[in-house]
Amino acid sequence: EPEVTQTPSHQVTQMGQEVILRCVPISNHLYFYWYRQILGQKVEFLVSFYNNEISEKSEIFDDQFSVERPDGSNFTLKIRSTKLEDSAMYFCASSVYPSYEQYFGPGTRLTVT
Amino acid sequence: AQSVTQPDIHITVSEGASLELRCNYSYGATPYLFWYVQSPGQGLQLLLKYFSGDTLVQGIKGFEAEFKRSQSSFNLRKPSVHWSDAAEYFCAVGAKEYGNKLVFGAGTILRVKS
Repeated sequence: EPEVTQTPSHQVTQMGQEVILRCVPISNHLYFYWYRQILGQKVEFLVSFYNNEISEKSEIFDDQFSVERPDGSNFTLKIRSTKLEDSAMYFCASSVYPSYEQYFGPGTRLTVT
Repeated sequence: AQSVTQPDIHITVSEGASLELRCNYSYGATPYLFWYVQSPGQGLQLLLKYFSGDTLVQGIKGFEAEFKRSQSSFNLRKPSVHWSDAAEYFCAVGAKEYGNKLVFGAGTILRVKS
């Protein structure tokens, strides 16, 4: 069964460093998403992406964040200058259409020290 | 604003007992609804979904959920819980009118005692 994959599973970085989280969505899906879950809190929407552009973003997704689909398979989330409060589990998801179910990857746990 | 409430933070049931996890939503549009399950250290697995039609939907692992528009609820049920069902369960809601994002509840942690 096709699934969303994410690398790395765990990333430790120092405050102020740039990180790139990578995702490979399900191959025939057209819509891609990033969510995050701070420990003990709700899963929160960050951004959605379609046709090589952002279709929606939350207030969390400020200028420190960017997304890219550099090739036909990968979908990346970049945090330019990490802060302690960026420590969270980051989930990538994809769907065939925007109103269809979203399939989530296993997540990348980001720890900022 | 859209919101999803899962009133129970923790629930403990005995193996073989029935289960109901509650989910209420507040949305200004016709929602589509999901239940996801997360085992420790794992991602979010889709259990079931409701878009339209029959308000009782069946999912994987023997779970079902019923959409009740009048109560703004989408409760998850299972007639007989197995020890492997111990996990955290999330209700999520979306709507075309609010773009593609899903809004999640805070989750309910299910413990199963033998």
